Amino acid sequence: SSELTQDPAVSVALGQTVRITCRGDSLRNYYASWYQQKPGQAPVLVIYGKKGRPSGIPDRFSASRSGNMGSLTITGAQAEDEADYYCNSRDTSGNHVVFGGGTKLTVL
Amino acid sequence: EVQLVESGEGLVQPGGSLRLSCVASGFTFSNYAMHWVRQSPGKGLEYVSAINSNGDTTYYADSVKDRFTISRDNSMNTLYLQMDTLRPEDMAVYYCTRGNSSILDSWGPGTLVTVSS
Repeated sequence: SSELTQDPAVSVALGQTVRITCRGDSLRNYYASWYQQKPGQAPVLVIYGKKGRPSGIPDRFSASRSGNMGSLTITGAQAEDEADYYCNSRDTSGNHVVFGGGTKLTVL
Repeated sequence: EVQLVESGEGLVQPGGSLRLSCVASGFTFSNYAMHWVRQSPGKGLEYVSAINSNGDTTYYADSVKDRFTISRDNSMNTLYLQMDTLRPEDMAVYYCTRGNSSILDSWGPGTLVTVSS
């Protein structure tokens, strides 16, 4: 079982804002990173650290953290944002890396 | 441009062995920790193994410990995963990834390992 918990599925209307969450005790001490995976493709890092965004990732993607929960927010979701989203971080020991179970985002 | 290309895809019987390779280019390979992450069909991502930049520290998930061995050759810009005593549950796409700490900033396209009799 994963030490990071994500909702299995979330939906958002085109152009609206959606938040995808990731919960785990380790997130009190470590920031989550977020990955987008489209069918048949490798994951892509979209957010890391407090608010890092790799080159080429649109600024509609942002992240936040509160207590034991990390969040990925997409402001003005686009059709191309429909994908699976995974969080990861260190575990509570700090020695290992864990992934959340993933959230399937549907853009309506 | 950072590129990671895995190879070693194959079909192997339970109990068999397979070696995966990942050739890196576009960055100074010896400066980065490297990782293997896998994804079983229709499932989520599972962190498998990691090795630090100079190869003297390794990590394994409990599910593969004592069966898989990660290594690297910095002179060849290549990462390896030796997989022994394979089980049906090891069947997955295996991704080579780059990253220091838990931030995995570059991924290869993946290579498929099928374990079946």
